[in-house]
Formats: sequence, C-alpha cells, structure tokens
Amino acid sequence: AQSVTQLDSQVPVFEEAPVELRCNYSSSVSVYLFWYVQYPNQGLQLLLKYLSGSTLVESINGFEAEFNKSQTSFHLRKPSVHISDTAEYFCAVSASGTYKYIFGTGTRLKVLA
Amino acid sequence: GAGVSQSPSNKVTEKGKDVELRCDPISGHTALYWYRQSLGQGLEFLIYFQGNSAPDKSGLPSDRFSAERTGGSVSTLTIQRTQQEDSAVYLCASSFPGNHEQYFGPGTRLTVT
Repeated sequence: AQSVTQLDSQVPVFEEAPVELRCNYSSSVSVYLFWYVQYPNQGLQLLLKYLSGSTLVESINGFEAEFNKSQTSFHLRKPSVHISDTAEYFCAVSASGTYKYIFGTGTRLKVLA
Repeated sequence: GAGVSQSPSNKVTEKGKDVELRCDPISGHTALYWYRQSLGQGLEFLIYFQGNSAPDKSGLPSDRFSAERTGGSVSTLTIQRTQQEDSAVYLCASSFPGNHEQYFGPGTRLTVT
C-alpha cells in the first residue's frame, strides 16, 4: 500500500519570500507523484506531476518539485511567493499499475503582505 | 470544453435519510473517480470506474455507500441511512484512459443534521 505524509499543516510566509512544502511518500512499487492546489472555495487543480524522465518538474506559475527516490520525497518549492498563492496544497501518489490517488492531508499556505 | 460537473453543490439532509450525488465527467473521459474530503480525514479515495470493467470499490467506507455509472458517462454516488460522520465534501474526478492526470469537479458539500 502507499501512503503520503505532508508534515506541515500550515505554512505562513511573507510575500516574495521562498517557500518549500514538504511531501514524503512510502510505496513498495514505483509511483507517480502529483501536487494539486485548492484555492479558497474552488475545486482541486493539478499544479504539476512527475510520471517519468527528468526528476525536476515545473509549473507555469513558478512552482517546481523534485522527485527524490532515495529520500522518497517530492517537495514543492517556489523562490518567491505572491499573495495569490494562498491556497491549500495537496500531494498525491498513484502506484504504477493503478490510477487512484492517495492524498496527503494537505498544507495550507498563507502568504502575508 | 466543459469541465467535470457535480450536483447538487450543497445538500443538507437529516440523519437516516438517503442521498444521491451526481457527477458528469468530461466528455471522452472513460475513467471516473469519487473521493471524500472531510475534516480530520483529508482526501480519501472511494471508488473508481474504468470503462466497462468492474469498479474498484476498495475505498467505500461501509455498505451504506454505493455508486453506479450509467452508459459509461454520468455517475451517481448513493449514501443510504446517512450518519453525521458522512458530512463532507464529495469530489468527482475523471480522466482519459491510461492517463494519470485527473480533473476534479467542484464537489458536493453534504451536511447531515
């Protein structure tokens, strides 16, 4: 079975500061990894994904995540956050051969002016 | 094109009543998923449909929960004899077959009083 751990339930950060949201997973088989974002009163949107190939993946709005197999991590980073990045961020894993997601408990990112 | 739609957006029901939640996936998406988002439990997988294959029901929490998918498109999640612990946001997602990227609907917020 797979599991996902997001240790930080809330992360406050000042605008234009860097941020890292942590995600660790466990699995006995190879996995695919995802970050989804949920803005206030909105649905889940895919932010970025790792399926294969380059371990560093980027989104169109400046976020990036790096798949680290040895540390079983997929941390999300952004070098400079904006107020509009305030949202809840979910890390998810899907085991090779399946399609259902196992989600972490989410991290609330609050960007302060 | 249209995204995943869900109805109703909000549902308040009395304990013991049955409820039906509806999901319309994106046209052409043969894979359909139901998840539940609740306080203290995060996002939980409930059930997965893929084409005409038998659904993966491994996430359904009890036999009060059931789901069907008619004509390979619209899906209905039914909760019988609702309990207060069923209060949550029920999310539907769909994807192309063999594609790990899921598109989520806005959810149905269920409140059991």
